[in-house]
Amino acid sequence: ETGVTQTPRHLVMGMTNKKSLKCEQHLGHNAMYWYKQSAKKPLELMFVYNFKEQTENNSVPSRFSPECPNSSHLFLHLHTLQPEDSALYLCASSPRGDRGSGANVLTFGAGSRLTVL
Amino acid sequence: AQSVTQLGSHVSVSEGALVLLRCNYSSSVPPYLFWYVQYPNQGLQLLLKYTSAATLVKGINGFEAEFKKSETSFHLTKPSAHMSDAAEYFCAVLEAFTDKLIFGTGTRLQVFP
Repeated sequence: ETGVTQTPRHLVMGMTNKKSLKCEQHLGHNAMYWYKQSAKKPLELMFVYNFKEQTENNSVPSRFSPECPNSSHLFLHLHTLQPEDSALYLCASSPRGDRGSGANVLTFGAGSRLTVL
Repeated sequence: AQSVTQLGSHVSVSEGALVLLRCNYSSSVPPYLFWYVQYPNQGLQLLLKYTSAATLVKGINGFEAEFKKSETSFHLTKPSAHMSDAAEYFCAVLEAFTDKLIFGTGTRLQVFP
C-alpha cells in the first residue's frame, strides 16, 4: 500500500466519548501533520511531528492529543469534544528537505470526517 | 507574515472554456507557492509548485500557473475545462524559516456541460 492512509474515514461520537484517528504513511517521509478543515475556513495546521518529535502545536485545545510512535504512524486522540470540533481532519506527510529549499511538499490522506453530537 | 488570498470562493465555467483561478500572495522573501486540488471526499493533491525556477509552471491534468512578481500573483489556468476538473482548489505559500504551508480559503470550481 502506498501514500497516506487515514482511518476511520467517518466517525460519529458523543461529547463524552473517547476515540482516536489513525494515520499511516508508506512514503518514507520524516514529518507528519494534522490539519483541520472546516467549512468556509482555511485549513488549520494543528500539529507537526519531525522524526517523531512534536515541533508544532498551533494552540490546539487539550481535548485533542496527538501521538507519533514512529515516523510512519500518527494518531489523534479525541476526548470530550464539542460540536464545533466537527470537521474533516486531514493527515499529511512530507520528506522534510533542507529548510527553505521548497522541497517540503506535503502528501495528504483522504481525511477522517468527524461529527460530534 | 506570509499569506495567500484567493479571489472568488466559487467559479463556474462551461466545459471547454478557459479556467482561471486567482491567487495573490504576500511575502517579504521570494516565496515557494503551491496549488492543491481536493476532489469530493478526498484529501488534497498537489497540482503544481513554484520554487523560483521557471516562472511558468506546468502541473498535472493540463493545469499551469504563472508566477508574476510585479503583481504578487500565482494564478492557475487551464485552456479547456473538463467535467472532471470540478473540485476545490487551494493556493498555498511555504512560510519561510518554518516550512509551514499556509493555505488560502479555497475556490470551488463548477463545470457545466
